Amino acid sequence: GAVVSQHPSRVICKSGTSVKIECRSLDFQATTMFWYRQFPKQSLMLMATSNEGSKATYEQGVEKDKFLINHASLTLSTLTVTSAHPEDSSFYICSAGQGNMNTEAFFGQGTRLTVV
Amino acid sequence: SQKIEQNSEALNIQEGKTATLTCNYTNYSPAYLQWYRQDPGRGPVFLLLIRENEKEKRKERLKVTFDTTLKQSLFHITASQPADSATYLCALHTGGFKTIFGAGTRLFVKA
Repeated sequence: GAVVSQHPSRVICKSGTSVKIECRSLDFQATTMFWYRQFPKQSLMLMATSNEGSKATYEQGVEKDKFLINHASLTLSTLTVTSAHPEDSSFYICSAGQGNMNTEAFFGQGTRLTVV
Repeated sequence: SQKIEQNSEALNIQEGKTATLTCNYTNYSPAYLQWYRQDPGRGPVFLLLIRENEKEKRKERLKVTFDTTLKQSLFHITASQPADSATYLCALHTGGFKTIFGAGTRLFVKA
C-alpha cells in the first residue's frame, strides 16, 4: 500500500512554544490529507481536512488559530500547534487518500506531543 | 446524533479460537465500512473494506460482514494468534476520504 510518513514521532516542548508536525505522502500525490487527535483509549477524532492549495476545513470545536494547517504541495501537509499548553498533549495522526475514489486511507505513524 | 459503537471492554481469547468484534452505528448511511488495526503508539493500519452491497468480505484469516439493515458490522479473526493482539477500529466514510472512527476494541490473544 501507499506510504505516509509523519515526523517527528515524539516531541516534548515547553508551554507557550509552537510545534510543527509534518505529514508526507512518499509514493503518491495527496490533494487531501486529514489530521486526527487521539487521547489514550479513545477514538481518533478528526480535527481538520487539509486541502492542497487552499485553506483547511476545521471540525467544530477545533481552533484554527491554535492548530495551523498548511498543505503547500501534493505530498506535504504540516500541522503547527501554536502556543502549546499541557492540555494539547496528545497523539496526533495524519492520513492521506490516494486517487479520486473512496478507498482506504493511509496513516502516518503518529506524533506523541508532550507539553511540559 | 451520529454514533459508532464498538465494545469498549477488552476481548480476551485463547490462541486458535475465533475472535469476533462488533461495530454498530446509528444515523449513518455509509457507502462502505472499514476495519483498521492499531498497535500502541502507532497509526492505524488498513485491514479490510466492505461496501454496502457486499454481505461478506474475506482476506486470509479475516472476515468482515456488513448488515445495513441492522447497521452492524462483524469482524472475525479465525485461528487467532498472540500476534493478533491489538486494538481494532471500525471506520465509516462520510464522503470523500473523510473517515469517522469508533473507539476501538482491544483484543488480547493468549498463548
